[in-house]
Amino acid sequence: DIVMTQSPDSLAVSLGERATINCKSSQSVLYSSNNKNYLAWYQQKVGQPPKLLIYWASTRGSGVPDRFSGSGSGTDFSLTINSLQAEDVAVYYCQQYYTTRRTFGQGTNLEIK
Amino acid sequence: EVQLLESGGGLVQPGESLRLSCAASGFTFINYAMNWVRQAPGKGLEWVSAISGSGDSTSYADSVKGRFTISRDNSKNTVYLQMNSLRAEDTAVYFCAKDDHIAVTGYYFDYWGQGTLVTVSS
Repeated sequence: DIVMTQSPDSLAVSLGERATINCKSSQSVLYSSNNKNYLAWYQQKVGQPPKLLIYWASTRGSGVPDRFSGSGSGTDFSLTINSLQAEDVAVYYCQQYYTTRRTFGQGTNLEIK
Repeated sequence: EVQLLESGGGLVQPGESLRLSCAASGFTFINYAMNWVRQAPGKGLEWVSAISGSGDSTSYADSVKGRFTISRDNSKNTVYLQMNSLRAEDTAVYFCAKDDHIAVTGYYFDYWGQGTLVTVSS
């Protein structure tokens, strides 16, 4: 299985500042035939199910604010949250869907400083 | 509006069985693969199983292969997870998740249910 490793495990950022979460896959998730990265990001708030934020590494999900952006290719990816809001406090997960047996990163806990 | 409603969780003893259900609405059910994803208390997300839109293809995580069976009834817009020989390490909230693809190879999960808690303990 592809191993997804996120960094850092936890992050504290001031309101209005930028937060960046990294995700590294143990093998490339870039599918050469369509040049797409099979990488998604999810946000999970306390007591709630995960919510899709980003897919194809950089496409925002439905209704996701444009302060959330995804970047990267191959094995190295980032989720950036600009102008952090209080409601962004959550655990963030990356996930690869390059293989049928989808795998998630261990999660990054984002807090307000 | 897409809705996924899980049911069937509860407290069981090691070695026992449980069947989870997920009733879907708000989309053309047969056109999408469905998945089960679990989350142990205080832990991260683990993909468990997937089934294609037609139901003719399935996939499982190694941790549950041979013990869990995923199925679907497209006439009832419902996906199931039959869990046998349950172990303490199967204790988790089980989420039903809609795939944005019809095949079991799958893509990302665009909608999730609220989850149902399964506790395996003597």
